[in-house]
Amino acid sequence: DSGVTQTPKHLITATGQRVTLRCSPRSGDLSVYWYQQSLDQGLQFLIQYYNGEERAKGNILERFSAQQFPDLHSELNLSSLELGDSALYFCASSVGSPSGRAYGQFFGPGTRLTVL
Amino acid sequence: KNEVEQSPQNLTAQEGEFITINCSYSVGISALHWLQQHPGGGIVSLFMLSSGKKKHGRLIATINIQEKHSSLHITASHPRDSAVYICAVRSGSGAGSYQLTFGKGTKLSVIP
Repeated sequence: DSGVTQTPKHLITATGQRVTLRCSPRSGDLSVYWYQQSLDQGLQFLIQYYNGEERAKGNILERFSAQQFPDLHSELNLSSLELGDSALYFCASSVGSPSGRAYGQFFGPGTRLTVL
Repeated sequence: KNEVEQSPQNLTAQEGEFITINCSYSVGISALHWLQQHPGGGIVSLFMLSSGKKKHGRLIATINIQEKHSSLHITASHPRDSAVYICAVRSGSGAGSYQLTFGKGTKLSVIP
């Protein structure tokens, strides 16, 4: 158990809908990362937050948005869903630092999203 | 953009064999991660390294910054090592640059 929790585990929805994925980092970790893993693209970095602020952005679509709340949990919002958004979405956390020093990341169990 | 290549894509080994998985990248990095993904989908971070060598149990990770290459070794392999091993690199070192680029993974099957 990494200490990172994600809900829900599975999500089945229809095209055009909007969903919210939730992540709670390990106690004491200030950085949260979101990743998408699809069969054809593999793992891709979406976005990183550090202590409530966006720090880095990767291949995140405009239909997707995220935020980190004062209690450090994070939510990833996916809207106008398309079939191609079906994937595993992972959240990871690390201690992080203002300087950007690298620390190991701890991954949550993932949310499997199926868009029908 | 950093390109990350892993080899082999698939690897089948007999229990007890010494295993090596390779990772090459195209642009200078500040850190490299080795991840393990089990058949159920869960991801475990095995190592993060920026130079030299790290060892944890039967796992050893090395990196050669000049050659832009890293290897993951598993000694005395066991069926429970069966998983997908993924290499990921971080380019940049500033506060806003923690983007990871991932390899496509190496699927390892260890047969009893």
